[in-house]
Amino acid sequence: GAVVSQHPSRVICKSGTSVKIECRSLDFQATTMFWYRQFPKQSLMLMATSNEGSKATYEQGVEKDKFLINHASLTLSTLTVTSAHPEDSSFYICSGRMNTEAFFGQGTRLTVV
Amino acid sequence: AQSVTQPDIHITVSEGASLELRCNYSYGATPYLFWYVQSPGQGLQLLLKYFSGDTLVQGIKGFEAEFKRSQSSFNLRKPSVHWSDAAEYFCAVGAGYTGGFKTIFGAGTRLFVKA
Repeated sequence: GAVVSQHPSRVICKSGTSVKIECRSLDFQATTMFWYRQFPKQSLMLMATSNEGSKATYEQGVEKDKFLINHASLTLSTLTVTSAHPEDSSFYICSGRMNTEAFFGQGTRLTVV
Repeated sequence: AQSVTQPDIHITVSEGASLELRCNYSYGATPYLFWYVQSPGQGLQLLLKYFSGDTLVQGIKGFEAEFKRSQSSFNLRKPSVHWSDAAEYFCAVGAGYTGGFKTIFGAGTRLFVKA
């Protein structure tokens, strides 16, 4: 199957700073990438859908100014958590879509202290 | 609206016993259905998928799932569970929307395996 690489796998940042998470499709071109958030012992909640070269579409309740998504190329999407607060601490997972199947990155554990 | 229901929050089975994880979906058209497994702190691994054709699909690690349209179900089964199968299992539906296609997940079922 196709491979999606997500970096970093873990990050700790201070409250008020910004953190960027990268999601790369290594062996396919992902015209669409998805960003999910997962709270402990809960399911994956779709945050936004990003299409290469256009603005991301955010799910209801997700602050687009806080979670900046950029999809500048067919193999790279980034999620920037701006002015992070402890309540933003979570597990973030990206996926790239190829045809009707989604391939997931390994996730990023964000801890805001 | 599309949705996925996994009725069991957690299940405990003995090693060597059979397993069935339940999944029901709500979707207006023919669904694309998936089962993923997640180990603690890890990403998702695809176990199997159903798009069309044979309603009994085989996946990796000895898992299989059966699509039953009349029951809107896609239950995951394994005849003999191994201790390494302990993990979180997510059922998902691939849902089309204007301009694209996205994956909607169920709440997950945590599998515990006892010796």
